Amino acid sequence: GAVVSQHPSWVICKSGTSVKIECRSLDFQATTMFWYRQFPKQSLMLMATSNEGSKATYEQGVEKDKFLINHASLTLSTLTVTSAHPEDSSFYICSASGAGGSRNEQFFGPGTRLTVL
Amino acid sequence: GDSVTQMEGPVTLSEEAFLTINCTYTATGYPSLFWYVQYPGEGLQLLLKATKADDKGSNKGFEATYRKETTSFHLEKGSVQVSDSAVYFCALTSNTGGFKTIFGAGTRLFVKA
Repeated sequence: GAVVSQHPSWVICKSGTSVKIECRSLDFQATTMFWYRQFPKQSLMLMATSNEGSKATYEQGVEKDKFLINHASLTLSTLTVTSAHPEDSSFYICSASGAGGSRNEQFFGPGTRLTVL
Repeated sequence: GDSVTQMEGPVTLSEEAFLTINCTYTATGYPSLFWYVQYPGEGLQLLLKATKADDKGSNKGFEATYRKETTSFHLEKGSVQVSDSAVYFCALTSNTGGFKTIFGAGTRLFVKA
């Protein structure tokens, strides 16, 4: 099946620093990648949708200048949390679609746990 | 807009008990329906899916049937195991919503030995 990886799996950083999270589709070309945020014991909240080679579409209430998304190739998307603060601590999950022409199925990465001190 | 409603948890069962987790949805168009499972500290794994009315998705003893008339996609398993303890998310993807996936709130399942 389609595999999506994320790196790093966890990261601890100081307040004010920036953190980059990578999302890769390992065995298929992902035309669309999604970034989600999950708070403890809660559901996934879609942050943004990115299509390869174009600007990401952010959901209402998500600061595009704070959560920078780049989808430079069909196998890689990155999320950069700029000037991170403790309230940005969360579990960030990416997903990718486009495997085998199936646009309505997403394949999820294992998630990245971000802790901002 | 599209939405997914699933039963609140946590659900606590003894091993070998029957499991039902209710899920209903509202959507325009003809969505695909999914159940995902999340084990502690991990990302989501697709458990099963159904892409059209009356389809039954099944995997690892779990099954769910796409009921358009009741807009439901209830998850069932005849005999749960301790290893089934996890959070289960019902979700839909609608082709009228830019293929965004809408998730339910999740239902935590605890299975006791």
